[in-house]
Amino acid sequence: DQQVKQNSPSLSVQEGRISILNCDYTNSMFDYFLWYKKYPAEGPTFLISISSIKDKNEDGRFTVFLNKSAKHLSLHIVPSQPGDSAVYFCASQANNLFFGTGTRLTVIP
Amino acid sequence: GAGVSQSPSNKVTEKGKDVELRCDPISGHTALYWYRQSLGQGLEFLIYFQGNSAPDKSGLPSDRFSAERTGGSVSTLTIQRTQQEDSAVYLCASSFYSGETDTQYFGPGTRLTVL
Repeated sequence: DQQVKQNSPSLSVQEGRISILNCDYTNSMFDYFLWYKKYPAEGPTFLISISSIKDKNEDGRFTVFLNKSAKHLSLHIVPSQPGDSAVYFCASQANNLFFGTGTRLTVIP
Repeated sequence: GAGVSQSPSNKVTEKGKDVELRCDPISGHTALYWYRQSLGQGLEFLIYFQGNSAPDKSGLPSDRFSAERTGGSVSTLTIQRTQQEDSAVYLCASSFYSGETDTQYFGPGTRLTVL
């Protein structure tokens, strides 16, 4: 049973606009959340993370928001750039790491 | 439906012993990845199989690590002469890579502890 869900398999955004990637989880014991970025035929690379004691973490163009009551997190990329086109995975951690199935972001120049 | 399965779920071994970790991908998936996550660290890419192509072994940390994928399905990751720093959760993922989509489905992982 998928404990971490990314319900949108794909997303297209115009260059310069905001990209919002969503992730839902079911296990309230998760205490750490991560976003990974993956290019085709490569492994995922770490992007940004957030602890469950926070509701926002920002790093440059990337911001992760955590809504614990809704068991929901999102990744905002602003402004979006063509080089951001990739698959984005969210992951939640409580001992082991549980991954969502990914959302393919396409940033249109 | 059946997802990616891995066995064993936990493995405790003594330093110097060999271990084999197994991954059963989703039927029909052409791509298979092995990763590991060490305590407090992010995901580390190990090896990637895509169809009948030669695997991408660029992430294997040493020659003690090897992996094979038999018949384009089940994969085994072998670690020879295990060291304590090999202790980690080893994750397998499979996908149907079409060039358009690469939705990855992760297995539950094998937690390896080397004493």
